[in-house]
Amino acid sequence: GQQVMQIPQYQHVQEGEDFTTYCNSSTTLSNIQWYKQRPGGHPVFLIQLVKSGEVKKQKRLTFQFGEAKKNSSLHITATQTTDVGTYFCAGSVSGRGSTLGRLYFGRGTQLTVWP
Amino acid sequence: DSGVTQTPKHLITATGQRVTLRCSPRSGDLSVYWYQQSLDQGLQFLIQYYNGEERAKGNILERFSAQQFPDLHSELNLSSLELGDSALYFCASSVTSGRLNEQFFGPGTRLTVL
Repeated sequence: GQQVMQIPQYQHVQEGEDFTTYCNSSTTLSNIQWYKQRPGGHPVFLIQLVKSGEVKKQKRLTFQFGEAKKNSSLHITATQTTDVGTYFCAGSVSGRGSTLGRLYFGRGTQLTVWP
Repeated sequence: DSGVTQTPKHLITATGQRVTLRCSPRSGDLSVYWYQQSLDQGLQFLIQYYNGEERAKGNILERFSAQQFPDLHSELNLSSLELGDSALYFCASSVTSGRLNEQFFGPGTRLTVL
């Protein structure tokens, strides 16, 4: 079945260091979304990538979608304590009418930032 | 605040019991999704409804069932509860059932089975 793998599971960084989380799918995705969940909170949508090779930036965050649409990454430059949380990637597949809209979530990367 | 509401916030019950979790989607959203989040399993998709009809099913146990009502709110029923059902249950909603829609998550219901 469809699987989305995400690594690493945990990442501890010093404030100011960079952080990257990677997402890989066993099959081609139609699009990928990224969510952030703060400790004790709920997942919040960050961004969506649709096109092959797409790169999007949100301030210090850079999101990439692979050329084959099977992988994605989120890179945070110069982390801050406000970046703490778990980052999830979630992909959708095409061609399955009854499951359109379903997101296949990775297990998430839990980011800890030391001041 | 995502606009998605879930009740109750916390639920403590015993093994073998049955509980109902409730979700009200954002105004205008027709699709509702249920997820289970436990420490070692991440976010597990359970089921999706769109405008009252079941649209997709994930790893939902037979002891669990859900429905979406005409006013679009949804309920997740968990029966014959086991210790392993203790988890955070999230409801999310989106405008339609299409794959390009972002999902808005509610605050969750924390279920503890003793």
